[in-house]
Amino acid sequence: AQKVTQTQTSISVVEKTTVTMDCVYETRDSSYFLFWYKQTASGEIVFLIRQDSYKKENATVGHYSLNFQKPKSSIGLIITATQIEDSAVYFCAMREGGSNNRIFFGDGTQLVVKP
Amino acid sequence: GPKVLQIPSHQIIDMGQMVTLNCDPVSNHLYFYWYKQILGQQMEFLVNFYNGKVMEKSKLFKDQFSVERPDGSYFTLKIQPTALEDSAVYFCASSLARRAGNTLYFGEGSRLIVV
Repeated sequence: AQKVTQTQTSISVVEKTTVTMDCVYETRDSSYFLFWYKQTASGEIVFLIRQDSYKKENATVGHYSLNFQKPKSSIGLIITATQIEDSAVYFCAMREGGSNNRIFFGDGTQLVVKP
Repeated sequence: GPKVLQIPSHQIIDMGQMVTLNCDPVSNHLYFYWYKQILGQQMEFLVNFYNGKVMEKSKLFKDQFSVERPDGSYFTLKIQPTALEDSAVYFCASSLARRAGNTLYFGEGSRLIVV
């Protein structure tokens, strides 16, 4: 079964607006870690932000923030004041808290930011 | 952020030939990973490596694949012999420690085309 699901294939927004990208995950572990990465047009994968499952506060880094809804197994990425250069594919990822080092990725959401 | 370097950025190779993909991980990182991404699809885990040993590998890590990091030099993925289905972008990643919360940092990928 897919462990990380991103249902939005593509989103298009006008710059300077706010966008939310959805992600739901599946795990039996009580401790886990959630990440968002961005893959640019050049293929580079850039780490953006993470949320540790035991933390109640939503993580925020720059203009990225997370909407962590643990009961719904949901970790949405919010980008405020979007810029053209935010256009990329955004991957949600999860790493379980056990000894397994594997990180599971979602299928990605393509974000297009237009002028 | 921390940088992982990959060489080559792309390579075209005849089916049946050997290829070596090189990764220069973040300098103080101890755990190394390879992921495979077929165009337009999610990244899939291949293998992770620590202290000279494979810690875990997926079913995608075929017998024709091998990894090593001789004397702290490049962390390499070798495919011998290559097959058409090996065409993909291979991403190297590294992390400081094994704990599940540690963030993986990715290189820019090595695009392999097997013809």
